[in-house]
Amino acid sequence: DVKVTQSSRYLVKRTGEKVFLECVQDMDHENMFWYRQDPGLGLRLIYFSYDVKMKEKGDIPEGYSVSREKKERFSLILESTSTNQTSMYLCASSFQAGAYEQFFGPGTRLTVL
Amino acid sequence: DAKTTQPPSMDCAEGRAANLPCNHSTISGNEYVYWYRQIHSQGPQYIIHGLKNNETNEMASLIITEDRKSSTLILPHATLRDTAVYYCIVRVRGWYGQNFVFGPGTRLSVLP
Repeated sequence: DVKVTQSSRYLVKRTGEKVFLECVQDMDHENMFWYRQDPGLGLRLIYFSYDVKMKEKGDIPEGYSVSREKKERFSLILESTSTNQTSMYLCASSFQAGAYEQFFGPGTRLTVL
Repeated sequence: DAKTTQPPSMDCAEGRAANLPCNHSTISGNEYVYWYRQIHSQGPQYIIHGLKNNETNEMASLIITEDRKSSTLILPHATLRDTAVYYCIVRVRGWYGQNFVFGPGTRLSVLP
């Protein structure tokens, strides 16, 4: 059974702290994605990666960075959190270019105080 | 990618067909229509996709109008477990970086 896992379901941080969100997929997928989801705004793409060590900015990359050192792992980094980064963060992966199905993880709900 | 318009919410009686509309009047010839859903506290789940022909799978049917400016997702016999937010997305099947733009979607409530 295909699986995308995320390191935490819930996180609470204080403003200015550094946060790592990890995502692991066990399907040997090439493409991986990070989204954030906010009420009324749907899902918005932060960054994606189509290969190891490759990354591309999505629609809202400001305040975030990513790392993909291994094919199965894609990390989202918030260097210095702010309250407007309180959100649900979703990781996804897909097999190859042109594939229509993205597999999503369960999400991490981050609260920044 | 083309924008889509969906009603914010819909109700459906359990056991009846749920018909979820989507308008995509600016769709291009090479853009596909995709449907995903998100059940509470879970990540989105792929349902179905199509280009111009109607499609059916074990979960749902997708009806695309001849001019491709709108489509309807049909859940033939809705159950309580189909209560979710349904997203209609149009995009090109690109060769990489297949980012999907998820709008607010339609919140479907299946009522007993």
